[in-house]
Amino acid sequence: QVQLQQSGAELAKPGTSVKLSCKASGYTFTSYYIYWVKQRPGQGLEWIGYIYPGNGGTYYSEKFKGKATFTADTSSSTAYMLLGSLTPEDSAYYFCARRRYKGYVMDAWGQGASVTVSS
Amino acid sequence: DIVMTQSPSSLAVSAGETVTINCKSSQSLLSSGNQKNYLAWYQQKPGQSPKLLIYLASTRESGVPDRFIGSGSGTDFTLTISSVQAEDLADYYCQQHYSYPLTFGSGTKLEIK
Repeated sequence: QVQLQQSGAELAKPGTSVKLSCKASGYTFTSYYIYWVKQRPGQGLEWIGYIYPGNGGTYYSEKFKGKATFTADTSSSTAYMLLGSLTPEDSAYYFCARRRYKGYVMDAWGQGASVTVSS
Repeated sequence: DIVMTQSPSSLAVSAGETVTINCKSSQSLLSSGNQKNYLAWYQQKPGQSPKLLIYLASTRESGVPDRFIGSGSGTDFTLTISSVQAEDLADYYCQQHYSYPLTFGSGTKLEIK
């Protein structure tokens, strides 16, 4: 079955970076887009952007340009998101999700990774 | 960007009742090419990841109970949950899948009395 396994919780200091991973299994990694979504504690969902592992193409929501960087390693079926220049406003859960083959919806989700930014 | 406005922000119902959640988009989600509405609904239970319930406004994802019904067109959409069960306790989000950047509504918290 389709699974997205995310890396564990991160505690980081302001101004530093964290790199989150999302390991896919149960499907052909290079054929599906990976989306990233942010959720602050007790808040709603915010779409960050995507990477298409098939060709490495990326798209970032305007708000996250310069904040997030997506990469993918096809040999390990793993997508990554680097979050840089961290501030307390980056403290949140971050989900990776698979885009349905057709349509911009998310049909499988990782379990989420918590990022806490604190000095 | 397309702004999604969802209401109510929370509601509490008894098991067996019917619930209606509304979602309004700042521009039409109806494609003139295929007459499909690009609106999805997700359910997020406490401590879990979101789960896709409905896409194209009214198409249920595989395995989703038929008490979840999506409707609407253009800019106004509704998620109806008939005969609510205790397991439906969750936050519900609408999402437009018409164009990038994708955007979500602010969510509706469903509580069971």
